Amino acid sequence: ETGVTQSPTHLIKTRGQQVTLRCSSQSGHNTVSWYQQALGQGPQFIFQYYREEENGRGNFPPRFSGLQFPNYSSELNVNALELDDSALYLCASSLGGPIYNEQFFGPGTRLTVL
Amino acid sequence: QQQVKQSPQSLIVQKGGISIINCAYENTAFDYFPWYQQFPGKGPALLIAIRPDVSEKKEGRFTISFNKSAKQFSLHIMDSQPGDSATYFCAASYNFNKFYFGSGTKLNVKP
Repeated sequence: ETGVTQSPTHLIKTRGQQVTLRCSSQSGHNTVSWYQQALGQGPQFIFQYYREEENGRGNFPPRFSGLQFPNYSSELNVNALELDDSALYLCASSLGGPIYNEQFFGPGTRLTVL
Repeated sequence: QQQVKQSPQSLIVQKGGISIINCAYENTAFDYFPWYQQFPGKGPALLIAIRPDVSEKKEGRFTISFNKSAKQFSLHIMDSQPGDSATYFCAASYNFNKFYFGSGTKLNVKP
């Protein structure tokens, strides 16, 4: 059983650019959630995808968008990068459904916006 | 509006001591309360979780105490070890959808 993987590990962009982060969910999981973790803070929920559909969104502007593929891997896209977007971006996968299931986090992508 | 408030921000405990971290939440609709442990360079990992229909859950050295009327819950780490040194986050969720995390507690267990 493979765990949650994310790529790239680190990324440096300049203000105004666009970025795509990728997440491969754990085997058998059909739900992916994305979080933003600023330095010294707790993760902030961005959105969740369940079976390729958005299934909840946090308080983030529309320039944060996502996608989930038929193999349940996922992308997070951020347009018009701002300095405050510098953070660790975490994805977590779980088996969605009518019962509670633990979410497993990847190691994150560290994004620096200059 | 911060949905989950966590304290203290940092904690120093001697080896063998008890570490206590507290959280308070606002939304009474929350129905799942997990605690996560995060080591530097790693993503958070689930440590223990509780549903609001029980007041306490124990797993090994880790115990969650839950007070529904006060909208508070806490993590107790018994016999704290240097290997427990990490950042701990409480969280709350409704229907296992959006998770709201606390701001974290950095625990340092002195040998």
